[in-house]
Amino acid sequence: AQSVTQPDIHITVSEGASLELRCNYSYGATPYLFWYVQSPGQGLQLLLKYFSGDTLVQGIKGFEAEFKRSQSSFNLRKPSVHWSDAAEYFCAVVNNDMRFGAGTRLTVKP
Amino acid sequence: GAVVSQHPSWVICKSGTSVKIECRSLDFQATTMFWYRQFPKQSLMLMATSNEGSKATYEQGVEKDKFLINHASLTLSTLTVTSAHPEDSSFYICSVRAGGAQYFGPGTRLTVL
Repeated sequence: AQSVTQPDIHITVSEGASLELRCNYSYGATPYLFWYVQSPGQGLQLLLKYFSGDTLVQGIKGFEAEFKRSQSSFNLRKPSVHWSDAAEYFCAVVNNDMRFGAGTRLTVKP
Repeated sequence: GAVVSQHPSWVICKSGTSVKIECRSLDFQATTMFWYRQFPKQSLMLMATSNEGSKATYEQGVEKDKFLINHASLTLSTLTVTSAHPEDSSFYICSVRAGGAQYFGPGTRLTVL
């Protein structure tokens, strides 16, 4: 079955530390891949997307993600986390329509 | 990207009443819009795909007679929750697809008493 998996429900990192949020997908072909961020009570903001080409994509707010076909993964990274990055992060794929992972809640410790 | 607005941002209604939520694409003509529902601390679940000038396509398990969708123009789709019940309380988010990505509205918080 087609699916998007975010294995980590909740991650806590210290401000200034590096961050990696995991995303794995299970689809027949390489879908379009996305990362979104959602602050409480808000809609979703697009951080970055991958369609094809360079497997390392840069996004807004200093985020990047790397597509690894062999691992069916699209992990999100940031070298130095800021307190304002605390939010819910969703990985999403589009095959015919957009499907979301369960989300990872990021807490940033001072 | 596309800018999407929703109205209202929150609504409280009595059980049995109907509520209409508007989704507008402000800078993009969207032939297709998407409606999602998000329960607290959960992910977004696609409810239906709204097609301009034709019937919406509903996901399995979503009652089309309860969640009425109208996409009368390229910039406006509406979701009407008919005969709302407390279990319909949720965060409803619409989205448009532009340039291969999807852009989301700010969401509408519905509380049914």
